[in-house]
Amino acid sequence: DAKTTQPNSMESNEEEPVHLPCNHSTISGTDYIHWYRQLPSQGPEYVIHGLTSNVNNRMASLAIAEDRKSSTLILHRATLRDAAVYYCILRDVLGDMRFGAGTRLTVKP
Amino acid sequence: EAGVAQSPRYKIIEKRQSVAFWCNPISGHATLYWYQQILGQGPKLLIQFQNNGVVDDSQLPKDRFSAERLKGVDSTLKIQPAKLEDSAVYLCASSWSVSTNEKLFFGSGTQLSVL
Repeated sequence: DAKTTQPNSMESNEEEPVHLPCNHSTISGTDYIHWYRQLPSQGPEYVIHGLTSNVNNRMASLAIAEDRKSSTLILHRATLRDAAVYYCILRDVLGDMRFGAGTRLTVKP
Repeated sequence: EAGVAQSPRYKIIEKRQSVAFWCNPISGHATLYWYQQILGQGPKLLIQFQNNGVVDDSQLPKDRFSAERLKGVDSTLKIQPAKLEDSAVYLCASSWSVSTNEKLFFGSGTQLSVL
């Protein structure tokens, strides 16, 4: 079973920032927080991951709470191409990657 | 670099028939995963390999599903016999290692319809 909790769906307006939350209250000290997204009819694709510190890449930013029990994926300017299902996953030392239901993001023009 | 290759892209079979899916991970990737994704749900992990050894197959229905990764490179997932509820997209993913810091690369999947 997935070890994270996410809202089922969220909406955003185009060119506005989007904050996608994730709760992972049972996270262990060595678990990395990974985010993937899945566009329609495609396999999931990597977005970003982190351990303790906030992370930035060309796609998004990841903000991790100080106690690591929650995190937020930030899309700085949502585009129509960002409409997808976003998954927050904890990866443990055995490489376990179990997906939950994710958050379906709708971007309105 | 070439991505994760899966075939076939689509497969339609009747219940009780057998079916096999093939996956070729990115060259050098030691860890390989098979997922089942039923319409409207997140991917469900079926089996995880590290080289040619099984790390986790706790969610694999072993009475009908089998998977192998000979020589630690490409992998085959088989269903025998298929049931209606096996209709899903079967996704293969790979990563360099099991390290928590490694990201996964996914193939486009095989869409299976069982009639």
